[in-house]
Amino acid sequence: AQRVTQPEKLLSVFKGAPVELKCNYSYSGSPELFWYVQYSRQRLQLLLRHISRESIKGFTADLNKGETSFHLKKPFAQEEDSAMYYCALSVTGANSKLTFGKGITLSVRP
Amino acid sequence: KAGVTQTPRYLIKTRGQQVTLSCSPISGHRSVSWYQQTPGQGLQFLFEYFSETQRNKGNFPGRFSGRQFSNSRSEMNVSTLELGDSALYLCASSGRPNTGELFFGEGSRLTVL
Repeated sequence: AQRVTQPEKLLSVFKGAPVELKCNYSYSGSPELFWYVQYSRQRLQLLLRHISRESIKGFTADLNKGETSFHLKKPFAQEEDSAMYYCALSVTGANSKLTFGKGITLSVRP
Repeated sequence: KAGVTQTPRYLIKTRGQQVTLSCSPISGHRSVSWYQQTPGQGLQFLFEYFSETQRNKGNFPGRFSGRQFSNSRSEMNVSTLELGDSALYLCASSGRPNTGELFFGEGSRLTVL
């Protein structure tokens, strides 16, 4: 069975500092990886997916199959980045479903 | 386009009762998934429907059931409620099945007393 691990529950940084939110997964096949974000009093929304290989709001994430990781990075954090971030894995096929990590709260202080 | 709409937003039930939650997907989306969110377990997959057929089911007891109508609206039902069923139930829709690109509703917060 697939699993997503986000080892930290909280990351607190100052504005302008680099951010790395860790995500590790376990799955023997070829997964699709995603990062979802939930800002205060807003609904959960997709931030980015590894297939797109794009930067959204300054965030990037590279899928490292050797280390089974999909860490989310941003070189300079902004206060508006404060939110809950979830890493998620999707497996295509008959048993596909979105498996989420427990999430991490990012707090960016002024 | 209107987003995913869930009703009711909040409800309180007592143990042993049953509850029905409703979800209207984004117009044109035919795939609907349900998730349970709790502080301890995080987000857990309940089931996915596409074109009125259940395509996937998570590891939840048979008390949890769902269905999808021809207009893609979906309902989930929990019978014989237990205290541990207290959670935020999230519905998500997507334009195609078997995708991780989901659009979530605001959720229905169920409290079981």
